[in-house]
Amino acid sequence: AQSVTQLGSHVSVSEGALVLLRCNYSSSVPPYLFWYVQYPNQGLQLLLKYTSAATLVKGINGFEAEFKKSETSFHLTKPSAHMSDAAEYFCAVSYLSGGYQKVTFGIGTKLQVIP
Amino acid sequence: GAGVSQSPRYKVAKRGQDVALRCDPISGHVSLFWYQQALGQGPEFLTYFQNEAQLDKSGLPSDRFFAERPEGSVSTLKIQRTQQEDSAVYLCASSTHVRLAQTYEQYFGPGTRLTVT
Repeated sequence: AQSVTQLGSHVSVSEGALVLLRCNYSSSVPPYLFWYVQYPNQGLQLLLKYTSAATLVKGINGFEAEFKKSETSFHLTKPSAHMSDAAEYFCAVSYLSGGYQKVTFGIGTKLQVIP
Repeated sequence: GAGVSQSPRYKVAKRGQDVALRCDPISGHVSLFWYQQALGQGPEFLTYFQNEAQLDKSGLPSDRFFAERPEGSVSTLKIQRTQQEDSAVYLCASSTHVRLAQTYEQYFGPGTRLTVT
């Protein structure tokens, strides 16, 4: 079964500091991996996705993630946190199941940015 | 263009009532997904439609949950005899094509927050 584990349900960083949100995956086949962001009372928005084209993936709002097969990780980073980055972030893995791509989400990491 | 819309945004139901949640996907999107997001959790898969065909309903928690997409566009998730454990945000997502993984992306609606009292 394919799954993702997000380490740390809450992360606090100071404004301007590095953001690091951790995600490890479990997959028996090469995975497709995603990071989504959810602002309060809104749906999920795709930040970036890994589909095997490149191990370092750049997304929106200055975020990027690196796929490391040896560590089965897909951590999300941003060099300098902004107040507007405060939100909940979900790592997800997609895989073929029954002829279509099925997505499994992690439990989420709530990012707090301290001024 | 318009994104995925859901209605109502908030629904309060008394235990035992039936509710119907609506999803309007992005026009032309073949695939439609329903997810349940409990408080403090990630979205959990409920069911999947490809056009009007419900190809996977393995995530529906009980036979009180029913989903349909009769014309391959708008979808309705119905919950009969609601229970307190049904309280959650119900998210709908649509995508263009599920086999082309390189272009695969699900577009999410804002969700319907259901509170069962």
